[in-house]
Amino acid sequence: EIVMTHSPATLSVSPGERATLSCRASQSVSTNLAWYQQKPGQAPTLLIYDASTRATGIPARFSGSGSGTEFTLTISSLQSEDFAVYYCQQYNYWPVAFGPGTKVDIK
Amino acid sequence: EVQLVESGGGLVQPGGSLTLSCAASGFTVSSNYMSWVRQAPGKGLEWVSVIYSGGYRNYADSVKGRFTISRDNSKNTLYLQMNTLRPEDTAVYYCARHPTGYSSLSWFDPWGQGTLVTVSS
Repeated sequence: EIVMTHSPATLSVSPGERATLSCRASQSVSTNLAWYQQKPGQAPTLLIYDASTRATGIPARFSGSGSGTEFTLTISSLQSEDFAVYYCQQYNYWPVAFGPGTKVDIK
Repeated sequence: EVQLVESGGGLVQPGGSLTLSCAASGFTVSSNYMSWVRQAPGKGLEWVSVIYSGGYRNYADSVKGRFTISRDNSKNTLYLQMNTLRPEDTAVYYCARHPTGYSSLSWFDPWGQGTLVTVSS
């Protein structure tokens, strides 16, 4: 089974600053990777799929990159509504697997 | 508008059973791959089960033999029958649609709001 990891576990950022989140897969998943945002008490929301394609309605300040085992989600200028937990998910192999998440909080 | 609404969660004793429902609107459940994903309190996300448009079903090892995914096409509703429940099954259970026109190995969008299952004596 593929194991997904995130770094850092928590990222403290000031509004307006850039945030860079990393996700690593235990073996190559090509570009079969998605990113989700989850706010407290809410379901996850799809941000990025195929490693770099923004989902419908997602602002351009969210961007994804990477392939193989190393992936990055960048939020170019954090807005107040962006403070949340972010998960990556690989879908190259069954079972699909999520990382443990990175919490982005206010510095 | 595409929407998923789960129901059926609650408190159940270890060894008990529960059936979750996920009512869909804005699309046809039977024409899509559909999954259940769970999240233990304060923890991350874990995929549980998938049903293909053709009816094939797959399960995580942690629930295989205990959980059954199904659907009722006339009600456009997805189900998760959970038997022999354990405390470690305590979680919010989400139903989620795989993207239309893609393979079953894909991302999830949208997700329902979730329903909480608590297994405790």
